[in-house]
Amino acid sequence: DIVMTQSPLSLPVTPGEPASISCRSSQSLLHSNGDSYLDWYLQKPGQSPQLLIYLASNRASGVPDRFSGSGSGTNFTLNISRVEAEDVGVYYCMQALESLFTFGGGTKVEIK
Amino acid sequence: QVQLVQSGAEVKKPGSSVKVSCKASGGTFSSYAMNWVRQAPGQGLEWMGGIIPMFESVNYAQKFQGRVTITADESTSTAYMEVSSLRSEDTAVYYCARSQWELPWGMDVWGQGTTVTVSS
Repeated sequence: DIVMTQSPLSLPVTPGEPASISCRSSQSLLHSNGDSYLDWYLQKPGQSPQLLIYLASNRASGVPDRFSGSGSGTNFTLNISRVEAEDVGVYYCMQALESLFTFGGGTKVEIK
Repeated sequence: QVQLVQSGAEVKKPGSSVKVSCKASGGTFSSYAMNWVRQAPGQGLEWMGGIIPMFESVNYAQKFQGRVTITADESTSTAYMEVSSLRSEDTAVYYCARSQWELPWGMDVWGQGTTVTVSS
């Protein structure tokens, strides 16, 4: 199985400031079509997870443009350009290259 | 607007089984894959397996192979996930989540979650 590793585990942020979360995979997520099969999800407190980013850099429908994803192969980053209070929660990356999906351990974002 | 509505909370004895349902409304059920993800208390997300109803094709994470059964009923647009031989470690919230089987565009619609408590 592909192992996904996120850092940091916890990220205190100041509203209005940028934030960045890293995700690494044990194997390359680069498909032969040139896309990296990496998703990002946010689970807000008490809610179901929601899709933020698919194929490493494509924002899902309705996701604010302050969220962006980058990276390819085995190294990926989720960036929030200016954190808002509603962005708190746990962020997860997930590989979708193999039919057996695997999630990272999560990064908890909280307001300082 | 596609919605996934899951069955209600369950309390089960160790060694028994539980079957959770996930009914889709507002979309074309057979055109999508349905995934099951669980979250133990205070823990992260864990993909359990998924089904493509159109092909009756099912994949399971190795950890759940043999103890979890995922099925789907196209006539009612409902997916099911059954866990047998329950143990305390299976206490968790179980989510269903839709994804496109042809295109890797993520799990874009999630159910509200079903809490399963395993306790003697």
